[in-house]
Amino acid sequence: GEDVEQSLFLSVREGDSSVINCTYTDSSSTYLYWYKQEPGAGLQLLTYIFSNMDMKQDQRLTVLLNKKDKHLSLRIADTQTGDSAIYFCAEKTGANNLFFGTGTRLTVIP
Amino acid sequence: DTEVTQTPKHLVMGMTNKKSLKCEQHMGHRAMYWYKQKAKKPPELMFVYSYEKLSINESVPSRFSPECPNSSLLNLHLHALQPEDSALYLCASSQDGTGGHGELFFGEGSRLTVL
Repeated sequence: GEDVEQSLFLSVREGDSSVINCTYTDSSSTYLYWYKQEPGAGLQLLTYIFSNMDMKQDQRLTVLLNKKDKHLSLRIADTQTGDSAIYFCAEKTGANNLFFGTGTRLTVIP
Repeated sequence: DTEVTQTPKHLVMGMTNKKSLKCEQHMGHRAMYWYKQKAKKPPELMFVYSYEKLSINESVPSRFSPECPNSSLLNLHLHALQPEDSALYLCASSQDGTGGHGELFFGEGSRLTVL
């Protein structure tokens, strides 16, 4: 079965870069995603990467994928207090399902 | 309109009550989902509807009954729930359930408390 692991907590100072890591086990994943969840809210898709890519950049966000090691990371440049949230990686398994990681709570210190 | 709207935002019910959660999207998406999220945990898939037909039921107890009246609406009927069913219930939709990058758009959730 799927097993997607993340570190539970990350604290960074405002203006620094944040790197959130994720490891997954299903080598047949086609797409991998990063979602953001603010307190009491739903999930917001930040970015996704196709499994045959190794990097994707979108403004302050950079996604790196190491398919051999089944390791995904999200780098947020110039982290702001508004970036404080829980970040979930997710892998697409099969046609209709996303399997979410355990979530990383990012705290940005002013 | 890129919104998935869920009602109610909060629901408190007793174990003998019958209630429903509702979800609506007007993006023309043909796949809709119910996820359950307990505190400090990731969302877990409950049901998937694809083209208004139930395509995935992740062994959810029968006290949860989904319904998809049309391609824009998804309901979750609740009956005889237990306190451990208290959670945030998230609805999502995607363009279709057959492939592609399958971006899911999530609603804000309905926070359910069972007394």
